[in-house]
Amino acid sequence: EVQLVESGGGLVQPGGSLRLSCAASGFTFSTSWMNWVRQAPGKGLQWVASIKKDGTEKSYVDSVKGRFTISRDNAMNSLYLQMNSLRIEDTAVYYCANGDQFDYWGLGTLVAVSS
Amino acid sequence: QSVLTQSPSASGTPGQRVTISCSGSSSNIGTYHVSWYQHLPGTAPKLLICRDNQRPSGVPDRFSGSKSGTSASLDISGLRSEDEAEYYCAAWDNGLSSWVFGGGTSLTVL
Repeated sequence: EVQLVESGGGLVQPGGSLRLSCAASGFTFSTSWMNWVRQAPGKGLQWVASIKKDGTEKSYVDSVKGRFTISRDNAMNSLYLQMNSLRIEDTAVYYCANGDQFDYWGLGTLVAVSS
Repeated sequence: QSVLTQSPSASGTPGQRVTISCSGSSSNIGTYHVSWYQHLPGTAPKLLICRDNQRPSGVPDRFSGSKSGTSASLDISGLRSEDEAEYYCAAWDNGLSSWVFGGGTSLTVL
């Protein structure tokens, strides 16, 4: 059974940093694209970032370029999202999803940016 | 304003057939595959349809997808109360170099 468990969310002030983690199991992590998708309160889904199976290719939505960094550790079956210079508009539930079609998703972790 | 356009709401009675549409452009739906997701509040979104019309294992055949030009549709037949959820379409956009989602359609089963 595929399991994706996000952690690391919390309350942070504008300009602060957080590092999200996603622990993966039930599939071959090292051969799977991995992604972060977020949902702001009362809004729809928004793609944030993707990383290729070997970590050699990364892509980001324009609004987080230069502030967020996606990374992975295939030995630990883990995905990460380093979020710096956080803004109020980054407040959302952050989901990790596997595959190039967002095949399976976790339950998400809430990031709240507020002063 | 989402790049992919969906009607905000849809409804039907149990047993009915409902169609949810997703409109895009040549830079996304017109060129790339469309996928559909079902999301209930507090749960993990679920992939219903990938590559325009492919159903992943475990998805009931009541759910089907199609695409024509720059628009795509999700059909749900034999509507059930548990189908009440938010539905999203998604596709890659080569103009934005980004995955884009529709704004979501809230399906109510009356």
